[in-house]
Amino acid sequence: GQNIDQPTEMTATEGAIVQINCTYQTSGFNGLFWYQQHAGEAPTFLSYNVLDGLEEKGRFSSFLSRSKGYSYLLLKELQMKDSASYLCAVRDRYSSASKIIFGSGTRLSIRP
Amino acid sequence: EADIYQTPRYLVIGTGKKITLECSQTMGHDKMYWYQQDPGMELHLIHYSYGVNSTEKGDLSSESTVSRIRTEHFPLTLESARPSHTSQYLCASSGETTSTDTQYFGPGTRLTVL
Repeated sequence: GQNIDQPTEMTATEGAIVQINCTYQTSGFNGLFWYQQHAGEAPTFLSYNVLDGLEEKGRFSSFLSRSKGYSYLLLKELQMKDSASYLCAVRDRYSSASKIIFGSGTRLSIRP
Repeated sequence: EADIYQTPRYLVIGTGKKITLECSQTMGHDKMYWYQQDPGMELHLIHYSYGVNSTEKGDLSSESTVSRIRTEHFPLTLESARPSHTSQYLCASSGETTSTDTQYFGPGTRLTVL
């Protein structure tokens, strides 16, 4: 089976940097996704990692260590609109139809 | 940018009614998914499809049913709605047009059963 852990809530200040961690356990890792979800809206895709290392995309970066079963999402130059839930999701190579399992999400609040 | 649509966006309906939630995508994706999500809670997969005429139940048991007669269309039906069905229903699709096979979500249908 799969197990995904991420903090339930985090708070950060506008203009600062925040790192959201995710640890996972899976029998056959085949990719990790980060999604952003504003309250009442659908998740939107942020990043994908399948190899170790850092993927940078503007203010957002995502890091993966497969040997540690660990990923983080780094958000720089925080803006008020970054207040949202951030979902870590993992795909298992043994799952059918590219199913992914979502973590419970980290609710990020940005204060002025 | 994802092109996946859901209708209706909001639905309030009485107990016992039959409802169909529509989901369409114009990306030619072979795989489609239905998730259920209560406010502030995690996403749960309730149905998925590999392609036309293939449907499977997801990880969370659901009284709903789905069909996949056309690639672009994946409707979800509740034969007799109950208050326990009140939730947000999110449709997603993915395809191997990119190497990542990323799932893209529609805007969701917020269902309230009175």
